[in-house]
Amino acid sequence: ETGVTQSPTHLIKTRGQQVTLRCSSQSGHNTVSWYQQALGQGPQFIFQYYREEENGRGNFPPRFSGLQFPNYSSELNVNALELDDSALYLCASSLPGSIGLTEAFFGQGTRLTVV
Amino acid sequence: QQQVKQSPQSLIVQKGGISIINCAYENTAFDYFPWYQQFPGKGPALLIAIRPDVSEKKEGRFTISFNKSAKQFSLHIMDSQPGDSATYFCAASKTGYALNFGKGTSLLVTP
Repeated sequence: ETGVTQSPTHLIKTRGQQVTLRCSSQSGHNTVSWYQQALGQGPQFIFQYYREEENGRGNFPPRFSGLQFPNYSSELNVNALELDDSALYLCASSLPGSIGLTEAFFGQGTRLTVV
Repeated sequence: QQQVKQSPQSLIVQKGGISIINCAYENTAFDYFPWYQQFPGKGPALLIAIRPDVSEKKEGRFTISFNKSAKQFSLHIMDSQPGDSATYFCAASKTGYALNFGKGTSLLVTP
């Protein structure tokens, strides 16, 4: 158990709809990153939030957006869902700048299916 | 563009054997190289990680070998067990920045 929890665990949406995924980071971790993992692929970086500000973004369109709250929990929002958005969405929390390695701990993920 | 290339895509090893997974990277700014283990339906779990100032790191049956000049690193699983059957991902990043993952290696350890 990493202490990173995501909800919901599974979700089915219709093309064109909007979805919000949630993540509670490990206690004390101030950085949250979101990744998309398509079936049979490695996770792909979507964006990262540090102290409520986005401080890095991967090659994803603006319809992927996020928020980080004062308690460091986070949301991933995806608008105008497309079939290719079907994937496992992973949240990872970390504490960059701490002494030692910058370990990122992942939640169990949210399996999103777009039909 | 795939910043981290991982091989093989799949691997079958007998119980007690050595599993070896290789990765290569291009970006010389990367200074953090973790390996993750993922079971079906679960998120990736950090297994072991290394920084480029050392050439090898060992934790239990898991060893990372790192070759900075060749920009390659590998995971060795000694005395492989059926419970090690999972997908393994290498990754690389600059400290504090996004992890760049390989495409994964599906490991099957046969009894």
